[in-house]
Amino acid sequence: DGGITQSPKYLFRKEGQNVTLSCEQNLNHDAMYWYRQDPGQGLRLIYYSQIVNDFQKGDIAEGYSVSREKKESFPLTVTSAQKNPTAFYLCASSQDRGLEAFFGQGTRLTVV
Amino acid sequence: AQSVTQLDSHVSVSEGTPVLLRCNYSSSYSPSLFWYVQHPNKGLQLLLKYTSAATLVKGINGFEAEFKKSETSFHLTKPSAHMSDAAEYFCVVSAYNNNDMRFGAGTRLTVKP
Repeated sequence: DGGITQSPKYLFRKEGQNVTLSCEQNLNHDAMYWYRQDPGQGLRLIYYSQIVNDFQKGDIAEGYSVSREKKESFPLTVTSAQKNPTAFYLCASSQDRGLEAFFGQGTRLTVV
Repeated sequence: AQSVTQLDSHVSVSEGTPVLLRCNYSSSYSPSLFWYVQHPNKGLQLLLKYTSAATLVKGINGFEAEFKKSETSFHLTKPSAHMSDAAEYFCVVSAYNNNDMRFGAGTRLTVKP
């Protein structure tokens, strides 16, 4: 089945640690996105990538980093610089800019 | 610049009655508009999309939306609510010539038996 796979589904992190969230797609989409979701705030864009080896900051990139070494993979690292990392993280991809995005099932990150 | 306003943070209806979720948008470009649904702790699923073709768009599960340029609105409707429709709904505006996909804050739909 074609789609987007995020792992893990739940992730616990100690303060001061970096963690990496995985996102893989087999839809052959060029564009990939990372969003953060907090209650009552909708989705906010962290980073997006239009093509391999290129990515752009979104609205809330501080404390996060990404890489795009392969078309199908777009991992997100939540660094210790992110002051409030507890949230639900969603990865998405689209065939091109402005077209509908397809979402993974999300990763819930909790700082303990 | 683009933005979306979902006019109701919470809508409650009885099963079998109509659903109306309101969305207004602002866009400097010819917009593409989408409605997504999210069940608890799940990803988002596309309900329907408007991309400059017919202004009345039909989606999955009996939902439809009408693009009204003069009112800058894209309200989501369903004639008869079902218990399984209870979820969070997001209105999204995008444009082909940029990556600025903007989400509304969401509307939580509750369906009472």
